[in-house]
Amino acid sequence: AQSVTQLGSHVSVSEGALVLLRCNYSSSVPPYLFWYVQYPNQGLQLLLKYTTGATLVKGINGFEAEFKKSETSFHLTKPSAHMSDAAEYFCAVSERGAQKLVFGQGTRLTINP
Amino acid sequence: DAGVIQSPRHEVTEMGQEVTLRCKPISGHDYLFWYRQTMMRGLELLIYFNNNVPIDDSGMPEDRFSAKMPNASFSTLKIQPSEPRDSAVYFCASSPSGPFAYGYTFGSGTRLTVV
Repeated sequence: AQSVTQLGSHVSVSEGALVLLRCNYSSSVPPYLFWYVQYPNQGLQLLLKYTTGATLVKGINGFEAEFKKSETSFHLTKPSAHMSDAAEYFCAVSERGAQKLVFGQGTRLTINP
Repeated sequence: DAGVIQSPRHEVTEMGQEVTLRCKPISGHDYLFWYRQTMMRGLELLIYFNNNVPIDDSGMPEDRFSAKMPNASFSTLKIQPSEPRDSAVYFCASSPSGPFAYGYTFGSGTRLTVV
């Protein structure tokens, strides 16, 4: 069965600092991987996804993530945090051929001025 | 494209009452999903449909919950009778068919409070 573990339920960084949100997955086959962002009182918005091809994936708002099969990881990064990045971030996994997404518990990102 | 539309945005009801949540998926999307979000359990998949047919309802917590999709542009999630532990944000999401590589498009959610 697929599962997703997000390390750290709350991450706090200073404005301009590197953002690193960690995600590890468990899947019996190479999965599809996703990062979503949720702003307060809103639905989830797709940030980026990995399906096939290049393992470094670029998304919206300057975020990127790298699929590392050997580490079963899909960490999300952004070189320089902005106040508007404050939100909750969810990593999700789906096995190829399956329609269901399994979400991690989420990481709340706080940006300090 | 108006996105996935959910109504109402907020619902407050008394324990024992029937609650109906509504969702209009994106036109052309063949898959529709209902999720529930709580602090304790995070995002849980309740049920999903493909071409209006329920495919997997293993996440529906109890017989008090039911979902229908009478046509490609409308789905409902009903709770009868409602209980305080049903208080949560309920999200609807839709996805196009084909190899599952698109992710979902989520609605803004319905915040349900049962008192």
